[in-house]
Amino acid sequence: SYVLTQPPSVSVAPGQTARITCGGNNIGSKSVHWYQQKPGQAPVLVVYDDSDRPSGIPERFSGSNSGNTATLTISRVEAGDEADYYCQVWHSSSGPSYVFGTGTKVTVL
Amino acid sequence: EVQLVESGGGLVQPGGSLRLSCAASGFTVSNNYMNWVRQAPGKGLEWVSVIYSGGTTYHADSVKGRFTISRDISRNTLYLQMNSLRAEDTAVYYCVRVGDLVVVRSAFDIWGQGTMVTVSS
Repeated sequence: SYVLTQPPSVSVAPGQTARITCGGNNIGSKSVHWYQQKPGQAPVLVVYDDSDRPSGIPERFSGSNSGNTATLTISRVEAGDEADYYCQVWHSSSGPSYVFGTGTKVTVL
Repeated sequence: EVQLVESGGGLVQPGGSLRLSCAASGFTVSNNYMNWVRQAPGKGLEWVSVIYSGGTTYHADSVKGRFTISRDISRNTLYLQMNSLRAEDTAVYYCVRVGDLVVVRSAFDIWGQGTMVTVSS
């Protein structure tokens, strides 16, 4: 099975930049998507296909993907960005599946 | 408005069965790749099942042989039949749409609000 590893937590001061990594074997060859989940709510897509943003998502959210690491970058962090973030890819080996990362809790100090 | 609304969750004893429903509005379920994703209390997201627009289905190894995803075209509704339930199946279950009609690896663009399933005696 395919494993995606994220740091459990990232802390950042308001106005600074948060970077959340997602490690996977040759993840650079896959399309990576990122979701934001606030407590008690369903996840929301914030970045798709490595670096594209859905309509309504601020430009402060950006993504990159190369080699064995994908990264979600949140610039000029705001208090409202405090949430759990998950990376996700589609993987097919013994059968197709959608794989989620382990999740990262972003805390705004 | 494009929307997914789940129902059918609840408390069930180990070994029991439950059927979750997901009513879609604003789009046609049978045209899309539709999924169930779950989240155990305090844990991360776990993909459960997918049904392709052509009707092919796949399930995670953790539920294979116990869960079945299906749809009713006339009702524009997605289902998850869960049998032989275990304590570790306790989770919020989300109905989720893949945003692209053709590319299966595309992102999940629409999520329901989730329905809680608790397996306990």
